[in-house]
Amino acid sequence: AQKITQTQPGMFVQEKEAVTLDCTYDTSDPSYGLFWYKQPSSGEMIFLIYQGSYDQQNATEGRYSLNFQKARKSANLVISASQLGDSAMYFCAMREVAGTASKLTFGTGTRLQVTL
Amino acid sequence: GAVVSQHPSRVICKSGTSVKIECRSLDFQATTMFWYRQFPKKSLMLMATSNEGSKATYEQGVEKDKFLINHASLTLSTLTVTSAHPEDSSFYICSLPGGGAWNEQFFGPGTRLTVL
Repeated sequence: AQKITQTQPGMFVQEKEAVTLDCTYDTSDPSYGLFWYKQPSSGEMIFLIYQGSYDQQNATEGRYSLNFQKARKSANLVISASQLGDSAMYFCAMREVAGTASKLTFGTGTRLQVTL
Repeated sequence: GAVVSQHPSRVICKSGTSVKIECRSLDFQATTMFWYRQFPKKSLMLMATSNEGSKATYEQGVEKDKFLINHASLTLSTLTVTSAHPEDSSFYICSLPGGGAWNEQFFGPGTRLTVL
């Protein structure tokens, strides 16, 4: 079974609008971490935001926020006030404490295109 | 965050040759580094965990004799693709775990391998 599921292969958003990128996960480990990375066309992976399974509040980093719904096992990324430079691939990833330390499992990604 | 470099950034080689990719941590000592592979428009798949001073740990389905990993020092890990074939053409990315509370991974810029 897939551990990280991103159901949106592609998304469009108008500049200055907000957009939500979906991510659901599956784990039996009570302690885990959820990450979002941005990958522009250059290929580098840019860390955006992190949510720990025990964190009480949703994580926020500037224009990025993570809508963490633990019971539903979802960790959606919200980008507010989209900019043209936000156009990129976005990957959701999970780190489970059990097993190899820091091993990340990635979803299939969502390609976001910001339009004028 | 940690600065990670990869060399070369792009390599084209003939089928049957071996290619070495270097991953360097420029400001951080890492006993562990990770090697990922990414096919076009696909997600990142962990290939192996590189361990300084000991053998690498390979993921299921990854041929250890095909993808040789050497973690020579706390700042250098190398991936050698031996007897490369066109199906080995891919984007190879290394990363190392951060030491912060989030335990995020810092990724290198990647190496695009094309085997003719």
